[in-house]
Amino acid sequence: GAVVSQHPSWVICKSGTSVKIECRSLDFQATTMFWYRQFPKQSLMLMATSNEGSKATYEQGVEKDKFLINHASLTLSTLTVTSAHPEDSSFYICSARVDSARYGYTFGSGTRLTVV
Amino acid sequence: AQSVTQLDSQVPVFEEAPVELRCNYSSSVSVYLFWYVQYPNQGLQLLLKYLSGSTLVKGINGFEAEFNKSQTSFHLRKPSVHISDTAEYFCAVSEATGGGADGLTFGKGTHLIIQP
Repeated sequence: GAVVSQHPSWVICKSGTSVKIECRSLDFQATTMFWYRQFPKQSLMLMATSNEGSKATYEQGVEKDKFLINHASLTLSTLTVTSAHPEDSSFYICSARVDSARYGYTFGSGTRLTVV
Repeated sequence: AQSVTQLDSQVPVFEEAPVELRCNYSSSVSVYLFWYVQYPNQGLQLLLKYLSGSTLVKGINGFEAEFNKSQTSFHLRKPSVHISDTAEYFCAVSEATGGGADGLTFGKGTHLIIQP
């Protein structure tokens, strides 16, 4: 149980275009989802916290207008990278908290974004 | 705010030998502690977590970790490693009092390399 599905697993886009990444909780309802970014051979950095039905909370230094987060239902959160540039190339991972922190945080399989 | 320090960026170990991956944390409040494993281009898989109670926590794949409050450590151990254990290992913390509203704070990761 507690599976998070993330799509696409990889995407290549042209500079200036936008890319949407989906994160779905398959067998549970996730009121809170988290979006992380991971550079090669580095740790995961929390970008934002996505709350169902309300605005996302962004970490310091993360541009909210570039990384649009929508959490319209209890099972789906999306991250849209707008006007992508090569420096946005990275591995993006979503995570959901199951019921409470006692269950830990379940992670999606990640999305490798390459902007050319 | 919390911080996590993984002292070793890379640990080479011979197959069937024991291994310890070190993790220290800093926090002004009580925390939950986690160890995750990440295989190349994949999301994170929970190995084990400490929430409360017994300080020795057993996880999947033969891993265990011990919470030491006085040393603010949560080192991961395995008595005998296998080639398939080659991966990146992340230690992470979350506030125990936050109700899970906060995302995880990760260490920089330790690359475990199993040598035949």
